[in-house]
Amino acid sequence: DGGITQSPKYLFRKEGQNVTLSCEQNLNHDAMYWYRQDPGQGLRLIYYSQIVNDFQKGDIAEGYSVSREKKESFPLTVTSAQKNPTAFYLCASTIKPGQSYEQYFGPGTRLTVT
Amino acid sequence: AQKVTQAQTEISVVEKEDVTLDCVYETRDTTYYLFWYKQPPSGELVFLIRRNSFDEQNEISGRYSWNFQKSTSSFNFTITASQVVDSAVYFCALTSGGGYQKVTFGTGTKLQVIP
Repeated sequence: DGGITQSPKYLFRKEGQNVTLSCEQNLNHDAMYWYRQDPGQGLRLIYYSQIVNDFQKGDIAEGYSVSREKKESFPLTVTSAQKNPTAFYLCASTIKPGQSYEQYFGPGTRLTVT
Repeated sequence: AQKVTQAQTEISVVEKEDVTLDCVYETRDTTYYLFWYKQPPSGELVFLIRRNSFDEQNEISGRYSWNFQKSTSSFNFTITASQVVDSAVYFCALTSGGGYQKVTFGTGTKLQVIP
């Protein structure tokens, strides 16, 4: 079955530690995205990548970093510089970059930092 | 700038009732796309429908229907004869401006269907 895998489902870290969230897709999609979801808020874009070896900052990129070395993988690192990292993180993809394409989402990773 | 407003934070209905989820959008672009996504308790958003700005035809898919009205900048979603499985958070989203797809999501409406 094609889809997006995010692991782990739940992640706990101590403050001051960097943590990397995994996102893998086997849909052969070109574009991938990372969103953050907080209670009562919509999804906010952290980073996006339209093609391998290229990525762009979204609306709330500070304290996060990404890489896109392979088409199917788009890991997100939450660094210690992110002031409020506890949130639900969603990875998504579209078949091509562009405004008309629907997004396919992974199951999300819930990160708790204490 | 673009904006999506879902004024209904939470809605509760009794099973088999009809329910409409409101979505109002703002954009200066003439070409844009509107989407609805469903987020069940498992957390994964699921695509429901896409509508482009040049197609104002309403759409029906089973118990789901969508009413797109450019005159009021609205793209409302109606569930007929609601079921417990419809309980979820529903997001309306907008893309516009061409080029890279910058998606603006509304804050979501949590629907609870009570058996």
